[in-house]
Amino acid sequence: GAVVSQHPSWVICKSGTSVKIECRSLDFQATTMFWYRQFPKQSLMLMATSNEGSKATYEQGVEKDKFLINHASLTLSTLTVTSAHPEDSSFYICSARVRGQGNQPQHFGDGTRLSIL
Amino acid sequence: AQSVTQPDIHITVSEGASLELRCNYSYGATPYLFWYVQSPGQGLQLLLKYFSGDTLVQGIKGFEAEFKRSQSSFNLRKPSVHWSDAAEYFCAVDTTSGTYKYIFGTGTRLKVLA
Repeated sequence: GAVVSQHPSWVICKSGTSVKIECRSLDFQATTMFWYRQFPKQSLMLMATSNEGSKATYEQGVEKDKFLINHASLTLSTLTVTSAHPEDSSFYICSARVRGQGNQPQHFGDGTRLSIL
Repeated sequence: AQSVTQPDIHITVSEGASLELRCNYSYGATPYLFWYVQSPGQGLQLLLKYFSGDTLVQGIKGFEAEFKRSQSSFNLRKPSVHWSDAAEYFCAVDTTSGTYKYIFGTGTRLKVLA
């Protein structure tokens, strides 16, 4: 149980385009989802906390106009990288908590490798 | 400030040898603690978690971890390492402060020699 699906797993696009990444909880409802960015051989950096039906909470230094987050349902959150540039290339990972269980672990997707040419 | 420290960036062990990965945390209250494993190019898989109670917790893949409050540590152990255990290991603290955000350690990369 507690499976998180992330799509796409890999995307290559031209500079200036926008890219949308989906994060779905397949077998549970997730009130809260998290978006992380991971640079090569480094730890995960939390970008934002996504709450269903409300605006996302961004971490300091993360541009909310650059990284648009939408959490329209209890099973889906999306991250859109707008006007992507090569410096946005990275590994993006989402996670989700089971609804109503605040002290339960986060369950992670398999990540999306984004390459901007 | 809250923090998680994994002192060892890289660890190399021989297959069949025992393993201990260190994790120290700095947090005001009793934390919720987790160990995750990440294979290259993939997401994170939960190995085990500690919330309360017995300070020695068992996880998947033969891993265990011991919570030591006096040392602010939550070290991960495995008695006999397999080649498939080669991966990146992350220790995390759940802040339990309403947003339930994790604080991750910097990770320990495990290499297993045949």
